[in-house]
Amino acid sequence: GQQLNQSPQSMFIQEGEDVSMNCTSSSIFNTWLWYKQDPGEGPVLLIALYKAGELTSNGRLTAQFGITRKDSFLNISASIPSDVGIYFCAGQFGGSQGNLIFGKGTKLSVKP
Amino acid sequence: DAGVIQSPRHEVTEMGQEVTLRCKPISGHNSLFWYRQTMMRGLELLIYFNNNVPIDDSGMPEDRFSAKMPNASFSTLKIQPSEPRDSAVYFCASSLGRGAYGYTFGSGTRLTVV
Repeated sequence: GQQLNQSPQSMFIQEGEDVSMNCTSSSIFNTWLWYKQDPGEGPVLLIALYKAGELTSNGRLTAQFGITRKDSFLNISASIPSDVGIYFCAGQFGGSQGNLIFGKGTKLSVKP
Repeated sequence: DAGVIQSPRHEVTEMGQEVTLRCKPISGHNSLFWYRQTMMRGLELLIYFNNNVPIDDSGMPEDRFSAKMPNASFSTLKIQPSEPRDSAVYFCASSLGRGAYGYTFGSGTRLTVV
């Protein structure tokens, strides 16, 4: 079935650093979503994107819907300790009856 | 809105026992999803309901798993008999329509089968 390739799988952050992660697909998506999962909780929607080239911010988070409609990026500026968690991308295209397809996640941890 | 409510939050059971996980979706949402999350496989869609009707259960791993949605405000996921490899976090999520505005997830049920 359709898969999303999310990278990196994991990364360590130091407070104040900027963070970038991305998702790619072999198919064109109509919608891209970014979620964050805190330990012991379910994923929570951060940003939703609906048009190719769209750039949307939510506080220190900025996400972009790629021009090719096959990728999306999430950037976190000036990271803080509470940014740790797992970030998931999700995409929707017509071939899956419209259901969302999730990436495997990027785990953000604090640099020791 | 209380969000998607799942119970129990944690369940420890012995192999061979029946396990029932419960979910109350957000009022007004007409789609409900059951997911399983493990370190190895990430988030896996098990089954999807639309207007209380199961639409796609191709993700249900085997006949030991069953799910029901008797009405718009309640769904169950049952495992009978349970096995240690079923240990995972099970999430319920709901949405309006097919999810273009995103799914709202519950806090999950952490299942441990010993």
